[in-house]
Amino acid sequence: SAVISQKPSRDICQRGTSLTIQCQVDSQVTMMFWYRQQPGQSLTLIATANQGSEATYESGFVIDKFPISRPNLTFSTLTVSNMSPEDSSIYLCSVRPSTGELFFGEGSRLTVL
Amino acid sequence: DQQVKQNSPSLSVQEGRISILNCDYTNSMFDYFLWYKKYPAEGPTFLISISSIKDKNEDGRFTVFLNKSAKHLSLHIVPSQPGDSAVYFCAASAMGYGNKLVFGAGTILRVKS
Repeated sequence: SAVISQKPSRDICQRGTSLTIQCQVDSQVTMMFWYRQQPGQSLTLIATANQGSEATYESGFVIDKFPISRPNLTFSTLTVSNMSPEDSSIYLCSVRPSTGELFFGEGSRLTVL
Repeated sequence: DQQVKQNSPSLSVQEGRISILNCDYTNSMFDYFLWYKKYPAEGPTFLISISSIKDKNEDGRFTVFLNKSAKHLSLHIVPSQPGDSAVYFCAASAMGYGNKLVFGAGTILRVKS
């Protein structure tokens, strides 16, 4: 298993601003992902955070809106840029150690006014 | 295009009885299936998984059944306990798709005491 810490756990932001969410893992992991859960909806994969290279984004998500950093095998950040109320979601960092399942952080609940 | 569907948004069960949560999928390439449980203000936690080479996997009170011909899986919780009240997500992945997890929309389980 892996212990994942996310910061901030929640925040209220103004439209047009940007927020960076941090994810720290207690062990080195190759596979790290960022998910979003919009109100009442499922978890949607935003991107795979690749160590030392650009993140791989899923359809519908772009780097300009969700820039991701992965400087090492235990840490990543996701920035939500130029926020609008539609970005109000729970953002989740997750990792996959050698086994098949994903482990999730507690999530960062973002409210955009 | 919802590849993983949980058609029941909520389920209410009496304590001690069986809870059955259902999940359907459309992509025949999926070969690994997982169930996650999520409490409010927490990240999803892994519950149980099943590979497509099996039709049943059991772990304590939790059993997952897979019917590949029907593209259907279910999670059985016996006996249900009030602490099981949570949102349950079904997820699926395929080696051919980079093992990315695709999640259903979730089912809210309420276990009444």
